[in-house]
Amino acid sequence: GQNIDQPTEMTATEGAIVQINCTYQTSGFNGLFWYQQHAGEAPTFLSYNVLDGLEEKGRFSSFLSRSKGYSYLLLKELQMKDSASYLCAVRVLILTGGGNKLTFGTGTQLKVEL
Amino acid sequence: DTAVSQTPKYLVTQMGNDKSIKCEQNLGHDTMYWYKQDSKKFLKIMFSYNNKELIINETVPNRFSPKSPDKAHLNLHINSLELGDSAVYFCASSPGPSSYEQYFGPGTRLTVT
Repeated sequence: GQNIDQPTEMTATEGAIVQINCTYQTSGFNGLFWYQQHAGEAPTFLSYNVLDGLEEKGRFSSFLSRSKGYSYLLLKELQMKDSASYLCAVRVLILTGGGNKLTFGTGTQLKVEL
Repeated sequence: DTAVSQTPKYLVTQMGNDKSIKCEQNLGHDTMYWYKQDSKKFLKIMFSYNNKELIINETVPNRFSPKSPDKAHLNLHINSLELGDSAVYFCASSPGPSSYEQYFGPGTRLTVT
């Protein structure tokens, strides 16, 4: 099975930088994803890492270390609209039947304050 | 244009009833999914279909039966609803079973009383 851990809540100040960590234990690892979910809305894709290293996408960056089972999402120049839940998800390959399965962490609720 | 749509958006029903949630995607994707998000915001996959064929079936009670009449539609029928079925159900789609990005629908909030 998969085990994914991330902090439940974080608070940060507008304009600052925040790092949301995610650790995982899994077999058949086939990528790590970060999704953003505003209250009452659907999750939206933010980033994807399958190789070690940093992927940068505007104000958001995501890092992966497969040997450590560790990832982080870095949000720069925080804005009030970044207040949302950030979901770490691990993709594993399904050997029977094909396809991949995404297993989500419980999410980190980020609150951006003035 | 709505990429992944679900109906209804809200569903309130009593225990023991049978209900269906419908999902449609106009992205031309081959793969569709059903997820359940409980009151603690834990998002968990239930089923996945690729070209109308079931490829993922998690340990879901057999009261839940997905149906894919074509690759653009994936419906979820739930028999004998229980209080614990109350949750938000999200449909999602991806170009294929190995695609890295999934597009989520707006969700259906099911409340069982």
